[in-house]
Amino acid sequence: DAGITQSPRYKITETGRQVTLMCHQTWSHSYMFWYRQDLGHGLRLIYYSAAADITDKGEVPDGYVVSRSKTENFPLTLESATRSQTSVYFCASRLAGGKNEQFFGPGTRLTVL
Amino acid sequence: GDSVTQMEGPVTLSEEAFLTINCTYTATGYPSLFWYVQYPGEGLQLLLKATKADDKGSNKGFEATYRKETTSFHLEKGSVQVSDSAVYFCALIGDYKLSFGAGTTVTVRA
Repeated sequence: DAGITQSPRYKITETGRQVTLMCHQTWSHSYMFWYRQDLGHGLRLIYYSAAADITDKGEVPDGYVVSRSKTENFPLTLESATRSQTSVYFCASRLAGGKNEQFFGPGTRLTVL
Repeated sequence: GDSVTQMEGPVTLSEEAFLTINCTYTATGYPSLFWYVQYPGEGLQLLLKATKADDKGSNKGFEATYRKETTSFHLEKGSVQVSDSAVYFCALIGDYKLSFGAGTTVTVRA
């Protein structure tokens, strides 16, 4: 399907487990982003990527790892999940250059028990 | 750094009422400004945008004008519907990333 997709949409895991959230976009957008959304905090940027093999930290990167071997994919890994990482995670992408709008995926609701 | 401050909610209105959500920003240079909307259980969708001073963005009956002199981008709709119930986010992009406001929850009652 065209657009930006995330999987899984819902995930329940336990403390200490590794979890990977997937993000895929079909537009060949250069930039991709991961946000978490929590009550009282709005959306906070975790990591972003300007192109394949180029990633950088956002506001709240601790406990997360990203990779971008292909332009269309930007997985987010929680190496050892903690309860504080219970959140809704949104992936986004946009074209490079200028100040283009970002397009968001539908989100992944992650619960860490 | 760049930041966005928007009116705290929640906001509850009756159908056909007038809606205003205030948004002010701090940024260096000339950012582009956006309003995103998040319907229950969904991701964020772009509602409207403005890329330079005095631009007016509009969509689905919503409007917002980029006011550089007051560093504001207030969202307005003259007659809301139940289907407008959502969370609204003001945002700006200065260089590479969006900076979001905290979001305003709007509930419209029939």
